[in-house]
Formats: sequence, structure tokens, C-alpha cells
Amino acid sequence: DTGVSQDPRHKITKRGQNVTFRCDPISEHNRLYWYRQTLGQGPEFLTYFQNEAQLEKSRLLSDRFSAERPKGSFSTLEIQRTEQGDSAMYLCASSRAGGNTGELFFGEGSRLTVL
Amino acid sequence: GESVGLHLPTLSVQEGDNSIINCAYSNSASDYFIWYKQESGKGPQFIIDIRSNMDKRQGQRVTVLLNKTVKHLSLQIAATQPGDSAVYFCAETSTGTASKLTFGTGTRLQVTL
Repeated sequence: DTGVSQDPRHKITKRGQNVTFRCDPISEHNRLYWYRQTLGQGPEFLTYFQNEAQLEKSRLLSDRFSAERPKGSFSTLEIQRTEQGDSAMYLCASSRAGGNTGELFFGEGSRLTVL
Repeated sequence: GESVGLHLPTLSVQEGDNSIINCAYSNSASDYFIWYKQESGKGPQFIIDIRSNMDKRQGQRVTVLLNKTVKHLSLQIAATQPGDSAVYFCAETSTGTASKLTFGTGTRLQVTL
């Protein structure tokens, strides 16, 4: 257990529905990341927060995706009007700013299946 | 676009043998490389990292080698154990990009008894 928790662990939804995932990072970590992983592939960067500020977003993050970290602690990732291509594992990670920058602490992920 | 990739999708080794997992990268701007281990049903777990000013770094039972000339890195695991069975990813980034990692596709390591 890395200390990063994600909820729900599994979500099955119908195409067109909205879904929201939550991530609780390690409490002293001020950086929070969302990655997406499809079967057999490595994680792909989606977005990154330092405290409450969203500092970078991937081109993968279409306008149907929105992430927030309102108080600089937990974060939510919402996908609106889900499509079958959104089916993936959504991974959250956290790290300390200024530390060993490549050492991200990942949660166990939220697996999304869009029918 | 530029990406990080792996030569072998699956590696099978006997318990007690050494394992070598290879990775090629193409982004010449990358100067920081990390190996992650992902067990089934879990998120990736940091193993070891190396910066481009080094060509070798050792950890506990693991060694990472970096060859910048041919843009290649490898992860060596000594005395492989059943608990080492997992998918291994190399990742790359550039200093100052706030840990925006680009992961390769992964190599599955299977340890046989």
C-alpha cells in the first residue's frame, strides 16, 4: 500500500454517462498526477497539479475530461459523455515537489469499463 | 512522436538466475530515466532511477545501465525471485518537467521455479 487511495476501484457504465473518480494522495505530497493505462500499455500522462493549481494537461485530455483539486488535497477526475474508447485504468499518483522527481507513488487505479 | 519502448515483451527466467530487461528511448532531450514494477492489480512501483550524467546505478539486487550513445537502458535483477514476477516499465522525462513521465510498453518478467 503506497498510501494513495482511489475510489471506486471499478466502474462499469453505459456509453454517454458521466463518471467521476476520486484520488486521495499521500498527505504531505503537494504534487498529484493522473495517468491512464490501457491493457498491455504503459501509463500515459493526463494531467498534473501542484497544490490546487492544474499546471499541465495532455492533449489526451479532451474537453470531456476535467480534473480538479480544489483544496490542494484530494482530486477528482470527471469524464462526461463516456465513450467506449475511454475504457481504461485511471491511475493517480502523488509526489513531493523538489524531491526525487521520478519517484511517483501510484494508487491501485480505478478501472473504467464503458459498455 | 518520440517515445520510450522495450525490445522484449516477455522474459522468462529461472529462480536464482539474473534477469536483464532492456529499453530503448528516442527522445534525445530526455535526461532522467526511471524503472517501475507493476504487479497484477496494482499501480506501478518505483524501483530505481538514473540521470544522464551517470552510466550505472545500483540498488538492492537491481542495477540500471544507461548508454546514451545508443539511447538504451537496461535493468538487471540479480538472483531473481518469484516475487519479481511483474511487468517492468522504463520511463523517461526531462529535468524540470515536473515528473511528466513517458512510459514504454512494458516487459513481463516470469520467474519459473
